[in-house]
Parts: sequence; structure tokens; C-alpha cells
Amino acid sequence: GAVVSQHPSWVICKSGTSVKIECRSLDFQATTMFWYRQFPKQSLMLMATSNEGSKATYEQGVEKDKFLINHASLTLSTLTVTSAHPEDSSFYICSASERRAQYFGPGTRLLVL
Amino acid sequence: KNQVEQSPQSLIILEGKNCTLQCNYTVSPFSNLRWYKQDTGRGPVSLTIMTFSENTKSNGRYTATLDADTKQSSLHITASQLSDSASYICAGGFKTIFGAGTRLFVKA
Repeated sequence: GAVVSQHPSWVICKSGTSVKIECRSLDFQATTMFWYRQFPKQSLMLMATSNEGSKATYEQGVEKDKFLINHASLTLSTLTVTSAHPEDSSFYICSASERRAQYFGPGTRLLVL
Repeated sequence: KNQVEQSPQSLIILEGKNCTLQCNYTVSPFSNLRWYKQDTGRGPVSLTIMTFSENTKSNGRYTATLDADTKQSSLHITASQLSDSASYICAGGFKTIFGAGTRLFVKA
């Protein structure tokens, strides 16, 4: 099946720094990728939809200037958490669609101190 | 309001037993309904995908059912194994809405 990878798998950073998370579709091309955030014991919440070659579409309540998304190629999307704060600590998951199926990455756990 | 509700929140069963997880959805427009398995600290893995015209779909020991009239779905796990311990998430809608999941614990 299709594989989606994320890097890094976990990151610890100081408050105020920026963190970049990469999402790659390894064996298929994804014109659309999705970024989710998941807090403990809660459901996945869609943050934004990333389209190759165009601006991302953000969900209501998600600050586009804080969560920068770049979908530079058909196999790579990046999420940059700018000026991270402790409340940004969460599990960030990306996914990519191929036909009807949606494949998820393994997630990136971010801890902001 | 688009939402997906799952029950129970958590479930403990003995290894080898069967169990059924429930999902009620009110999502529009409806494109498909999906069940995922999510291990702790990992991304979700797809188990089944059903369109509104499909009533049931199986994937090994997992069988999902869909009643488009009542907007209910269920996931039946047969002969549970310790490795089935995970969160099971129901999701639906054109713009996928995820339920909060049912946390399943399988005990030896």
C-alpha cells in the first residue's frame, strides 16, 4: 500500500523557536495533502489542506501565519510552526490521498518547553 | 452540524472474544465512511472504506457495516488479539470529520 512518512518523529524545542515538519508520499504522487493536530484522547482535527503549487486552505481558527504550509512538490509538504509556544505541543499528523483512500503519516510529536 | 459520535469511549475484552464498536454520523455531503485503527503515538491506519451504497465490508477479522438510512455504522472485531488494543476511529464526509475514537483494550 501507499506509504506516507513524516520527519522528525518527535521534536522538543524552546518557546519562541520555529519547527519544521516534513511529510512525504514515498511511492505515489499526492496533489493534495492534509495536516491534522491531535491532542491526547481527542480526535484528529484538520488544520489545513495543502495543494501542490498553490496556497494552503486553512480551517477556521487556524492561524495561517503561525502554521506555514508549503507543498513544493507532488511528494512533499512541510508544516512550519512559527514562534512555538507550550500550547502548540501536540501530535501533528499529515495525510495524502490516492484515489479514494487516505494514507496517514506516523505523526510528529511536538513538545514546546 | 457535521459530527461523528462513537461509542463506547473505551472497552475492555478478553483475548479471543468478539466486540462491536458503534458510530453515528451526521455529515453532509456524504461521500464515504471509514474506519481506522490508531496505535498510541502513531498515525491512523485504514481498515475499511464504504460508500453509501455499501452495507458491509470486511478486512480480515474486521467487518464494518453501514446503514445509510439511520446514519449508523459499526465495526465488528472477531477473535480479538492482544495486538488489537488500540483506538478505533470512525470518519466520514467529503471533508473528513473524525470521531473521538473508541479505545479498545484486549486482555490476556
